[in-house]
Amino acid sequence: DVKVTQSSRYLVKRTGEKVFLECVQDMDHENMFWYRQDPGLGLRLIYFSYDVKMKEKGDIPEGYSVSREKKERFSLILESASTNQTSMYLCASSTPALAKNIQYFGAGTRLSVL
Amino acid sequence: AQTVTQSQPEMSVQEAETVTLSCTYDTSESDYYLFWYKQPPSRQMILVIRQEAYKQQNATENRFSVNFQKAAKSFSLKISDSQLGDAAMYFCAYRTSDSNYQLIWGAGTKLIIKP
Repeated sequence: DVKVTQSSRYLVKRTGEKVFLECVQDMDHENMFWYRQDPGLGLRLIYFSYDVKMKEKGDIPEGYSVSREKKERFSLILESASTNQTSMYLCASSTPALAKNIQYFGAGTRLSVL
Repeated sequence: AQTVTQSQPEMSVQEAETVTLSCTYDTSESDYYLFWYKQPPSRQMILVIRQEAYKQQNATENRFSVNFQKAAKSFSLKISDSQLGDAAMYFCAYRTSDSNYQLIWGAGTKLIIKP
């Protein structure tokens, strides 16, 4: 089974802090994604990566950056956390090679910025 | 731009009965994929069912089936014999056939199962 692991289930940070959200997948998937989930808004794509060191902006990249130094790991960085970044963050991975690019998700990180 | 609309923020159904969740989408593409994902209270999102637009036959996975109406741009999910474990947020999503990456998501429907 595909496993996507997010390093924290819950995280509490202060305004202005630099925040790292880590995601690791064990299936050698080329594509990795970071989403933000807010009630009534569904999932909004922040950034995605289709290869090591490659990244593309999604719909809401402002205030975020990403890093993908290794194929299995995709990090989301909040350079200076703000209260409006309090949300649920979901990581996902997929491969074009199998199963119509189905995305597999981690359990999510609930981030609170105080 | 493609959009996905789930008009029911919340639905409830009695255990063992059937419920249908609605999803409509807007696209000018002719070839695409549609998905239903489920997010239980533990939060890990999982795929329920998918449909290729070029296939006329509606997809079925055990108690889950879809009613795909391409001309109407409608993609509803039917859950038969509802079980307590079906309680979750359900998200409809769309992807064009030439995109390896991006899914367009609906806002989600919260499904409540009444025992």
